[in-house]
Amino acid sequence: DTGVSQDPRHKITKRGQNVTFRCDPISEHNRLYWYRQTLGQGPEFLTYFQNEAQLEKSRLLSDRFSAERPKGSFSTLEIQRTEQGDSAMYLCASSLAPPGVNTRRLYEQYFGPGTRLTVT
Amino acid sequence: AQSVTQLGSHVSVSEGALVLLRCNYSSSVPPYLFWYVQYPNQGLQLLLKYTSAATLVKGINGFEAEFKKSETSFHLTKPSAHMSDAAEYFCAVQGQGAQKLVFGQGTRLTINP
Repeated sequence: DTGVSQDPRHKITKRGQNVTFRCDPISEHNRLYWYRQTLGQGPEFLTYFQNEAQLEKSRLLSDRFSAERPKGSFSTLEIQRTEQGDSAMYLCASSLAPPGVNTRRLYEQYFGPGTRLTVT
Repeated sequence: AQSVTQLGSHVSVSEGALVLLRCNYSSSVPPYLFWYVQYPNQGLQLLLKYTSAATLVKGINGFEAEFKKSETSFHLTKPSAHMSDAAEYFCAVQGQGAQKLVFGQGTRLTINP
């Protein structure tokens, strides 16, 4: 399987605990995105990386959230001091944007299966 | 800024009937538009995309959508519904030069036998 993978698929944690999710993008994809999807809603953008650089962060990404992509390959999303409102599906996507990218061109995002977080 | 409105959070049709899922968008720049499908406990699968080429876009599984600039719409249709089409459908917009997708709230499609 050469698609986007996420681990774990499900996570149940108690309020106040820290959790970390991992996303492995499609090989050689240099862009990686995180989205959050709450029950009954569409996904909302959190942040994205080009290689190891985090280029955009949503206001949804509070200071309890941190994302990294240290070697420009896999990425981790950590939530500290979890709250019940953090319960959601966390989706990762990746895309390939060639060097000297024309920002007006479309680079399709491929989504992983998501990590469902339940905070009790 | 971009936004998407999907009209109808639930749509129910009979097997073999026409499927019509509505999407209206708002964008300050020429948009890219997408329809994604999501099955329970799974990620998003791209059905089709509009990239300013042909206004009628054909996708997978017999779905198609028409971009109408004058109506700021991108409705999704399928002539004949199949039981396997039951899922959640999301319309999304991406402004040219922007990296993030902005999604609608979704439409749950139910197929009645």
